[in-house]
Amino acid sequence: DAGVIQSPRHEVTEMGQEVTLRCKPISGHDYLFWYRQTMMRGLELLIYFNNNVPIDDSGMPEDRFSAKMPNASFSTLKIQPSEPRDSAVYFCASSRGGLQPQHFGDGTRLSIL
Amino acid sequence: DQQVKQNSPSLSVQEGRISILNCDYTNSMFDYFLWYKKYPAEGPTFLISISSIKDKNEDGRFTVFLNKSAKHLSLHIVPSQPGDSAVYFCAARGGSGGSNYKLTFGKGTLLTVNP
Repeated sequence: DAGVIQSPRHEVTEMGQEVTLRCKPISGHDYLFWYRQTMMRGLELLIYFNNNVPIDDSGMPEDRFSAKMPNASFSTLKIQPSEPRDSAVYFCASSRGGLQPQHFGDGTRLSIL
Repeated sequence: DQQVKQNSPSLSVQEGRISILNCDYTNSMFDYFLWYKKYPAEGPTFLISISSIKDKNEDGRFTVFLNKSAKHLSLHIVPSQPGDSAVYFCAARGGSGGSNYKLTFGKGTLLTVNP
């Protein structure tokens, strides 16, 4: 079975630009999670969806961040405008049921110059 | 305020010996705990978990122990192998409603197993 697929794997852009990160969850998984990993804060949950509906976005740092899940096989995390402090590795994870172990993608390493 | 703490950033052990990774938590609402393993440039992968109704769970070379009164859990790897070298994350969840699906992670411990 294919795992969680994230794209791009690396993104380097200048501050002020819009950044879009993409995620394809494992087929049949009804929960999708977006995480951010930084040296200072570690791995922290930004937002999660159930059946394409955002359930908890309390971890989203600012209004510059937004996430959507238009269908069961695709989600995006958008940052507009981007800032250097947004530089981090962003992970997407999915699970079949909210209580099952989450399966992570390999992440997108984002660098904002 | 870190609710899940892994106080050892790194650990080095010899191949064949036991590796013990520790994790402490502060939130008494946490009732389910997981360990994830992460190789460089890859996402975390689930390793083993334990519910708060148990104090031990074993899967092959991996055993997780939970001490609820001390709010402490540990992961034992016996025997350790060079392929176990990775960053290990402790995670916890618990609470009512949707918060029960949210994982809180520690910052990880880098395990190095020397041949």
